[in-house]
Amino acid sequence: SQKIEQNSEALNIQEGKTATLTCNYTNYSPAYLQWYRQDPGRGPVFLLLIRENEKEKRKERLKVTFDTTLKQSLFHITASQPADSATYLCALSGNTPLVFGKGTRLSVIA
Amino acid sequence: GAVVSQHPSWVICKSGTSVKIECRSLDFQATTMFWYRQFPKQSLMLMATSNEGSKATYEQGVEKDKFLINHASLTLSTLTVTSAHPEDSSFYICSAGWAGGSNQPQHFGDGTRLSIL
Repeated sequence: SQKIEQNSEALNIQEGKTATLTCNYTNYSPAYLQWYRQDPGRGPVFLLLIRENEKEKRKERLKVTFDTTLKQSLFHITASQPADSATYLCALSGNTPLVFGKGTRLSVIA
Repeated sequence: GAVVSQHPSWVICKSGTSVKIECRSLDFQATTMFWYRQFPKQSLMLMATSNEGSKATYEQGVEKDKFLINHASLTLSTLTVTSAHPEDSSFYICSAGWAGGSNQPQHFGDGTRLSIL
């Protein structure tokens, strides 16, 4: 069955550092991979989408990579700020609805 | 950006009560809406896909007679939890997207926290 793993349940980093979150998947060949941010008690908010034929995508301080050989995506937040503290979810999609990972709870410490 | 409104944001009710949750797309027509359930520290689990004007498609293990979905218009889908019990307590989230649009982001509501006593 399809399996998505986000490597850490929680990640603590200092303000100003780069946060790197990992998403690995098995038994799946997604055409697209998406990253969402979820704050406590709120619905997810879309951040970035990357296609299988794209290696990297950037948006302001965010960068996503997609390695279909390794079956892995990395999500980077550069110059992290306390306001970046949230849970980040990766989601895979192809011809089926989105399948979400459990998320990584990021805490940026001032 | 697209806005999805979900109502109510939280519900507390007695066991055996039926609860209706509304999901509205405010500034676009959503041919497809999705209903998810999320337990603490768990991922969003898709319950069903709701298509406007047709029957919802339920995921394996989700009881369609317990979780009634109606998608009567392009801007409104409702989820009714019938005869709710404590084990149905969870965070229910809807999203709106486009049918077959897996290359598009989904727009989520802010969820409904359901607590059954």
